[in-house]
Amino acid sequence: VTLLEQNPRWRLVPRGQAVNLRCILKNSQYPWMSWYQQDLQKQLQWLFTLRSPGDKEVKSLPGADYLATRVTDTELRLQVANMSQGRTLYCTCSAGGQGISNERLFFGHGTKLSVL
Amino acid sequence: GEKVEQHESTLSVREGDSAVINCTYTDTASSYFPWYKQEAGKSLHFVIDIRSNVDRKQSQRLIVLLDKKAKRFSLHITATQPEDSAIYFCDSGSWQLIFGSGTQLTVMP
Repeated sequence: VTLLEQNPRWRLVPRGQAVNLRCILKNSQYPWMSWYQQDLQKQLQWLFTLRSPGDKEVKSLPGADYLATRVTDTELRLQVANMSQGRTLYCTCSAGGQGISNERLFFGHGTKLSVL
Repeated sequence: GEKVEQHESTLSVREGDSAVINCTYTDTASSYFPWYKQEAGKSLHFVIDIRSNVDRKQSQRLIVLLDKKAKRFSLHITATQPEDSAIYFCDSGSWQLIFGSGTQLTVMP
């Protein structure tokens, strides 16, 4: 059973252009939604966790700038700008409880971004 | 900041042998330690976890051991099969959501 629908699966991004990613939650039992990046060396890094509609956060990392938005209870978005190196972005979801770090993560299929 | 170190970046074993992947962490407040598997070209999925109230957990061929004094936990895969070949990531369970750097496991026929 797929808990997350993540699109697009792959995108070629011209240098200097931003790209918008979308993640749809299919099961409300796992409302904590997050974004992770995986670089070309396979290193995973947490980016954001947004629980409530209207939550918005920004972050700048080496090689990309990010803006994450929890649009609704079921939709999470990520804008990636100023990307200089390819990467894969994963959407995840998890249950609440003691805190999001105490529950397993379910990963979406990922969006692979390559720089043109 | 808090860290989690995954000690083996690559590991090769013969089919049928056991594989062990070790992680250490720094956050003494960590209480939940999941492991994830990533097969080539695919996303990650959960394989097993352990909470800090136990020292050992087994799920079929997977065993996780936790040593809270040493701040160390390990994944043991027994009777390895070719389909176990993948990258395995440990997660320290820190509120900072830190993953280990991954271990590429290759099971040779």
